Amino acid sequence: DAKTTQPNSMESNEEEPVHLPCNHSTISGTDYIHWYRQLPSQGPEYVIHGLTSNVNNRMASLAIAEDRKSSTLILHRATLRDAAVYYCILRVRRTGKLIFGQGTTLQVKP
Amino acid sequence: ETGVTQSPTHLIKTRGQQVTLRCSSQSGHNTVSWYQQALGQGPQFIFQYYREEENGRGNFPPRFSGLQFPNYSSELNVNALELDDSALYLCASSRLVRDTTYEQYFGPGTRLTVT
Repeated sequence: DAKTTQPNSMESNEEEPVHLPCNHSTISGTDYIHWYRQLPSQGPEYVIHGLTSNVNNRMASLAIAEDRKSSTLILHRATLRDAAVYYCILRVRRTGKLIFGQGTTLQVKP
Repeated sequence: ETGVTQSPTHLIKTRGQQVTLRCSSQSGHNTVSWYQQALGQGPQFIFQYYREEENGRGNFPPRFSGLQFPNYSSELNVNALELDDSALYLCASSRLVRDTTYEQYFGPGTRLTVT
């Protein structure tokens, strides 16, 4: 299974944009890039996913490098409710298997 | 709220006992996956069920087994409990359509403590 590398922790100020990086140099052509987040005392929550093109949804944007070896999750205006552990995951299209790493713990300061 | 429910919320068992955890999938979802999350770690994939059959398994011993029922609800069974089985057990449901599994929706988890 291809692996991802993320910083252990990041800090942001409320109302400011946050860019969460992820490296996945061993990604294969069929791997989708998924982001989930886990708020304290809750199960993980789907955020966004993409294959090659940048993606936007109501929660965030996903910017994917042209060589697909890295990606960035963008929260456009961080709120206190965005404080969570963010996981960048590579997932083969057919299987539901998600390989979670340690993730990035995001702290949002008021 | 994801529509995925798990029971019980918390459970305490003794080493060597057996435990059954339950999960109700979101309506319209045909696959269920189970994950184990130790304190301070990311979730680890245990297995996935599609149409009542196991179709993927992580690095867990056979004493971890599961069932998926016709209504797509699911059970995780763990035999001969060990202290290291203490963890949060998460279930996630999703749709598998043709060759694509869509995003997974997680339940709140069952916290298992083995003493």
